Amino acid sequence: AQKVTQAQTEISVVEKEDVTLDCVYETRDTTYYLFWYKQPPSGELVFLIRRNSFDEQNEISGRYSWNFQKSTSSFNFTITASQVVDSAVYFCALVSGGSEKLVFGKGTKLTVNP
Amino acid sequence: EAQVTQNPRYLITVTGKKLTVTCSQNMNHEYMSWYRQDPGLGLRQIYYSMNVEVTDKGDVPEGYKVSRKEKRNFPLILESPSPNQTSLYFCASSLGWVGTDTQYFGPGTRLTVL
Repeated sequence: AQKVTQAQTEISVVEKEDVTLDCVYETRDTTYYLFWYKQPPSGELVFLIRRNSFDEQNEISGRYSWNFQKSTSSFNFTITASQVVDSAVYFCALVSGGSEKLVFGKGTKLTVNP
Repeated sequence: EAQVTQNPRYLITVTGKKLTVTCSQNMNHEYMSWYRQDPGLGLRQIYYSMNVEVTDKGDVPEGYKVSRKEKRNFPLILESPSPNQTSLYFCASSLGWVGTDTQYFGPGTRLTVL
């Protein structure tokens, strides 16, 4: 069975603080893909990143970075120098090889205060 | 412009009155999917379709039907809506398998069943 756990329901930070969103996943497959999506207050879902299970290299995109650790089954997302526009709900998701089902975590609501 | 469209965007209806939420994509994508988003539960997959005339159940298919007669359209049908189907619904599409191909989401349909 596949499962994604985002233990942080809500996080509140002040602008310019760094913040890490946690994602822990469960799957028995050796081939799988992990994702992060952003849902701003306007409601649409925005794709941020995809990572496959064979690539543990961390990724950085501007102020965003992702830390994938198979040893702890985690795929954490860090926003450096947060901004008010980063306020959103962030979802981590997983699909295992051979499955057509994308499983989402429950989401973490991030509020960045000015 | 490449996009996934949903109609209607907002709908208030009454228990038992059949309704259809349309979803259309203009990217010639093979894979389409429906999700519902509920507070504290994240997104859960209702149905998905890998191609025309090929559909399968997701994690929460009860009370819903789908059809895929054309590649671009994937309507969600609620034959006898009930209040527990009040939710935010998203349609999504991808060129192929969701693991390797980016999934694009529609803007969402907010459904209230009284």
